[in-house]
Amino acid sequence: GEQVEQRPPHLSVREGDSAIIICTYTDSATAYFSWYKQEAGAGLQLLMSVLSNVDRKEEQGLTVLLNKKDKRLSLNLTAAHPGDSAVYFCAVERGSALGRLHFGAGTQLIVIP
Amino acid sequence: AQTIHQWPVAEIKAVGSPLSLGCTIKGKSSPNLYWYWQATGGTLQQLFYSITVGQVESVVQLNLSASRPKDDQFILSTEKLLLSHSGFYLCAWSPDNYEQYFGPGTRLTVL
Repeated sequence: GEQVEQRPPHLSVREGDSAIIICTYTDSATAYFSWYKQEAGAGLQLLMSVLSNVDRKEEQGLTVLLNKKDKRLSLNLTAAHPGDSAVYFCAVERGSALGRLHFGAGTQLIVIP
Repeated sequence: AQTIHQWPVAEIKAVGSPLSLGCTIKGKSSPNLYWYWQATGGTLQQLFYSITVGQVESVVQLNLSASRPKDDQFILSTEKLLLSHSGFYLCAWSPDNYEQYFGPGTRLTVL
């Protein structure tokens, strides 16, 4: 089955710096890719999602890159601020599955003022 | 706009006692619905999904069951809780099997 590895598990950056989180997956049939943010004690907030025909997507200070050849997905937070401090998860899915999301282990991001 | 509500917010239960957690989605007809479990500090594991009333598919066997009695309601339950059931339970909905939107979660502590 699908294996998703996410790194780093912990990331600390200064305010204004960029933060990059990477996920790799194993199933070449994976067709949907997403990133979620989870603040302490809360549910998950969908940040961005892309289908497999998209290599790059930018929205509001976030950039998602998809490298299908290397089976790698990344999230880049440009100019991070303290409000970005949270746990971030990647989640992927085969196009044929009924919403079977496979999550990475999460990255605890701390943005230092 | 769609809203998703989970109840209760938190539960503390004894081992061997029954459990029922609920999830309601408003503003969207016939959503796909999902239950997830998250260990403290851990990743999410999908437990069940449902694409229509009365139909639920199990993804992982954790001595839990789920039901969808109404189009906008998803229930997670068990007759006998185990210590391993402790964690954070999240309900999610999707309009199309891709993007999933999560509820606020229920924190369960089993003692």
